[in-house]
Amino acid sequence: EPEVTQTPSHQVTQMGQEVILRCVPISNHLYFYWYRQILGQKVEFLVSFYNNEISEKSEIFDDQFSVERPDGSNFTLKIRSTKLEDSAMYFCASWDWDTGNNEQFFGPGTRLTVL
Amino acid sequence: LAKTTQPISMDSYEGQEVNITCSHNNIATNDYITWYQQFPSQGPRFIIQGYKTKVTNEVASLFIPADRKSSTLSLPRVSLSDTAVYYCLVGDRMDSNYQLIWGAGTKLIIKP
Repeated sequence: EPEVTQTPSHQVTQMGQEVILRCVPISNHLYFYWYRQILGQKVEFLVSFYNNEISEKSEIFDDQFSVERPDGSNFTLKIRSTKLEDSAMYFCASWDWDTGNNEQFFGPGTRLTVL
Repeated sequence: LAKTTQPISMDSYEGQEVNITCSHNNIATNDYITWYQQFPSQGPRFIIQGYKTKVTNEVASLFIPADRKSSTLSLPRVSLSDTAVYYCLVGDRMDSNYQLIWGAGTKLIIKP
């Protein structure tokens, strides 16, 4: 069964540093998403991406965040200057509009710890 | 985007049928109802989706009344491994900006 993969599984960084979280969506999917989940809290939408551009973004997705699909397979989330409150699980998801259902496939997540 | 309301937590026992109800009073005409399951430190996993009446797959059933203002996820004969958080979401998949808005979910604990 095809799956979404994410690397690294755990990233530890110092406050103020830049991090890049990587995702490989399912190959024939065209819609991509980033979500985050602070420990013990609900999943929060960050951004959706289609046709090489951002479709929608939440209030959380401010100027410190950016997304990119650099090579047709990877989908990355960059956090430019990390803050302590960026510590969370970050999930990538992809979706195939043509299947006729709402199933977004989620990756296993990257746990980001900002010290 | 419609908001959903679910019980914060539920307990049940192995072998029982578990029903989790979600209310979505402001559901729009084009919205589908989707349920996800999430285990600790894992990504959410799709369980089932529906628009109206009843949908059944190998994992669960979804019951949606005619007014679509609520839905009930039914898990038959649960086991300990069904302990997880269950999320009910609504969204319009025809919207190119389709996104999932998550509530707090229902933490289901299955006891032996």
